[in-house]
Amino acid sequence: ILNVEQSPQSLHVQEGDSTNFTCSFPSSNFYALHWYRWETAKSPEALFVMTLNGDEKKKGRISATLNTKEGYSYLYIKGSQPEDSATYLCAFPQTGANNLFFGTGTRLTVIP
Amino acid sequence: NAGVTQTPKFQVLKTGQSMTLQCAQDMNHEYMSWYRQDPGMGLRLIHYSVGAGITDQGEVPNGYNVSRSTTEDFPLRLLSAAPSQTSVYFCASRVTTGENYGYTFGSGTRLTVV
Repeated sequence: ILNVEQSPQSLHVQEGDSTNFTCSFPSSNFYALHWYRWETAKSPEALFVMTLNGDEKKKGRISATLNTKEGYSYLYIKGSQPEDSATYLCAFPQTGANNLFFGTGTRLTVIP
Repeated sequence: NAGVTQTPKFQVLKTGQSMTLQCAQDMNHEYMSWYRQDPGMGLRLIHYSVGAGITDQGEVPNGYNVSRSTTEDFPLRLLSAAPSQTSVYFCASRVTTGENYGYTFGSGTRLTVV
């Protein structure tokens, strides 16, 4: 069983602040790293799937970077808004591209 | 295009009862999987399937059965419900070709076993 760690566990920021959190994963046999956004009472939604070392992906005010050699990925949110409040999950496939092993997530609360 | 549909949304069972959680997708995804979500823990994989007629165990398969007779459907059966199976269950699917696709999740089934 793989070990995927996310930090911090929870985070409170003021509206307009920028923030970032970390996902650490095994650096050997890397295939891909997924990020999901999970709002309360909804289901997780895919944000990014990252496969290349040095990769950087962006979706609106959210971006992510990947370092496969040292086994970490950062998720950044620029100018946080209350609608960004959610749990952000990262996941690492156990078998090729499938069977994702999920971290426990970073719970972000944006205070208006 | 409905995506991944799970039924029921809520269910209460008595210990020892059996039931089936339904999952259907209309995206022609080959890969389907079942996860459970418990407080303080990440989503944990129960069973998965890479295509019709093919299933395999995940991290926490005990007490659950699955089958995959069609590409669209992947039901999860609880054989004899136990309080430890109280959880929120998510079905997820993805294409199997190409590494750049994330999972599509269903809306979840909240199960309570009393």
